Amino acid sequence: DSGVTQTPKHLITATGQRVTLRCSPRSGDLSVYWYQQSLDQGLQFLIQYYNGEERAKGNILERFSAQQFPDLHSELNLSSLELGDSALYFCASSPTGVANTEAFFGQGTRLTVV
Amino acid sequence: AQSVTQLGSHVSVSEGALVLLRCNYSSSVPPYLFWYVQYPNQGLQLLLKYTTGATLVKGINGFEAEFKKSETSFHLTKPSAHMSDAAEYFCAVTLSGSARQLTFGSGTQLTVLP
Repeated sequence: DSGVTQTPKHLITATGQRVTLRCSPRSGDLSVYWYQQSLDQGLQFLIQYYNGEERAKGNILERFSAQQFPDLHSELNLSSLELGDSALYFCASSPTGVANTEAFFGQGTRLTVV
Repeated sequence: AQSVTQLGSHVSVSEGALVLLRCNYSSSVPPYLFWYVQYPNQGLQLLLKYTTGATLVKGINGFEAEFKKSETSFHLTKPSAHMSDAAEYFCAVTLSGSARQLTFGSGTQLTVLP
């Protein structure tokens, strides 16, 4: 158990809908990262938050947004969903945003868009 | 920009045989390198990491990797495979001093044959 909690574990929704994925980082970790794992794109970094502020952006679509709340949990919002958004979405956390610190990954949320 | 290439999307070894999973990176600055393992329906677990210093890095479960700057490689090895090593392995890179955005390779599925 990495200490990172993601909910829900599975989500099935229709095209055009909007969903929210939730992540609770390890106790004391200030940084949260979101990654998408799909068959065709592999594992891709989406976005990072550090202590409530956006720190870095990767290949995140405009239809997607995220935020980190004062209690440090984070939410990833996916809207106008398309079939191609079906993927495993991972959240990771680390104590800081520094590159050489370990990131701990949650078990992921598997999103299926039908 | 950085990138990672994992040679061989599938590797099969016999139980007790040497495990060698290949990873080559491309980076314009000194990189931080990681190997993660993903068991079915699980998140990513850190096996080992290279930041600075000793180029031979030992990780969990008997795995080790050697950073070879001249070859831009960070291959993962284990002297004797165990059935429990069957999983998908990802090599990842992030740039020193950068916000922690991991760039992952495409992964290598390791099968251990009895």
